[in-house]
Amino acid sequence: GAGVSQSPSNKVTEKGKDVELRCDPISGHTALYWYRQSLGQGLEFLIYFQGNSAPDKSGLPSDRFSAERTGGSVSTLTIQRTQQEDSAVYLCASSAGGGRETQYFGPGTRLLVL
Amino acid sequence: DQQVKQNSPSLSVQEGRISILNCDYTNSMFDYFLWYKKYPAEGPTFLISISSIKDKNEDGRFTVFLNKSAKHLSLHIVPSQPGDSAVYFCASVFNKFYFGSGTKLNVKP
Repeated sequence: GAGVSQSPSNKVTEKGKDVELRCDPISGHTALYWYRQSLGQGLEFLIYFQGNSAPDKSGLPSDRFSAERTGGSVSTLTIQRTQQEDSAVYLCASSAGGGRETQYFGPGTRLLVL
Repeated sequence: DQQVKQNSPSLSVQEGRISILNCDYTNSMFDYFLWYKKYPAEGPTFLISISSIKDKNEDGRFTVFLNKSAKHLSLHIVPSQPGDSAVYFCASVFNKFYFGSGTKLNVKP
């Protein structure tokens, strides 16, 4: 399977706890994106990586959100002190080179903050 | 400030008929447009795209139309099939992707 994978597929946590979401992009894809889809909403851009650096992190909603990418491959999105409004599906996508290159999405992580 | 809007949250169509999904955008700098399809519990998958230098792109049953003066994009599916039932997102690109909120298509057998 050469697609984008994400883990966990589902996460239930208590308000105030920290969570880590993982994304494994397609091998060789240099660009990696994180999006969030809240109930009834569209895909909200969070952050974009080119290699290990993040030239655009303008979508991160607060300083409780952070992301890193290591080895030009795996990325982790961390949410600290989770709030109920963080409940959403978090989607990761990768593309061969960024820009208008087609983005390939993973299945998402469904986060529920109680 | 939503730069890409899909004003119809849902659409129901009879099998065999045409499905028309619409998308409006506000930023004239967008130069590339895409449609993605999403089934429940799966990530969106790329369906079809169009560059701003064209006004139509066709791929099998799927055709995307671009009206730059109206800043309007549409996806036509002909004939519609029950397996087309999914949520469809349009995306506009200028440096990065801007997605609409999606339209849920239900194709009735």
